[in-house]
Amino acid sequence: DTGVSQDPRHKITKRGQNVTFRCDPISEHNRLYWYRQTLGQGPEFLTYFQNEAQLEKSRLLSDRFSAERPKGSFSTLEIQRTEQGDSAMYLCASSLGSGAPYEQYFGPGTRLTVT
Amino acid sequence: DQQVKQNSPSLSVQEGRISILNCDYTNSMFDYFLWYKKYPAEGPTFLISISSIKDKNEDGRFTVFLNKSAKHLSLHIVPSQPGDSAVYFCAARKTNAGKSTFGDGTTLTVKP
Repeated sequence: DTGVSQDPRHKITKRGQNVTFRCDPISEHNRLYWYRQTLGQGPEFLTYFQNEAQLEKSRLLSDRFSAERPKGSFSTLEIQRTEQGDSAMYLCASSLGSGAPYEQYFGPGTRLTVT
Repeated sequence: DQQVKQNSPSLSVQEGRISILNCDYTNSMFDYFLWYKKYPAEGPTFLISISSIKDKNEDGRFTVFLNKSAKHLSLHIVPSQPGDSAVYFCAARKTNAGKSTFGDGTTLTVKP
């Protein structure tokens, strides 16, 4: 068990460009979550998957954001036409099943800077 | 509307003393609560949780207390150690929901 991994760890992009992040969850975990965190704030929910099905999306997730988990394993989060307000840490987490204790295992995050 | 609030951005305590971190929530539908700890350059790691059917849960040096009527929970760390210095996030959720709602965190500094 190597934990949740995210790639890349850092991404600098120019406004208007598209970016894609990858998350590899813990192998036996069927739930995968994406959160966004800005400085001084807690993680903010974006979306989550159970296996390959995307079950919930936050209203924060504008139509420029799309997430996939094609085979129920790794997931990608794409941001199109990036804006400076998209600069944040993007955290991925995974969990096993849907029962207590509901703990989520987080990856180290991808820090996005939009210039 | 922030549904989970941690009103103290920071807390400093002496090694060996008790650390008390507080969290308030507004959504009465929340029925499960978690605490996470975060070190710099790492993602949050799960620490301890409590269901709304309990008012206390203990795990070693860490105890979480829940006061449902006040919509308040607290994390007690006894005794505090320098390695406990980190950002602590309170999170709340509904049992059958997927997401957790996080507070903004409290930075704990334990001085040797």
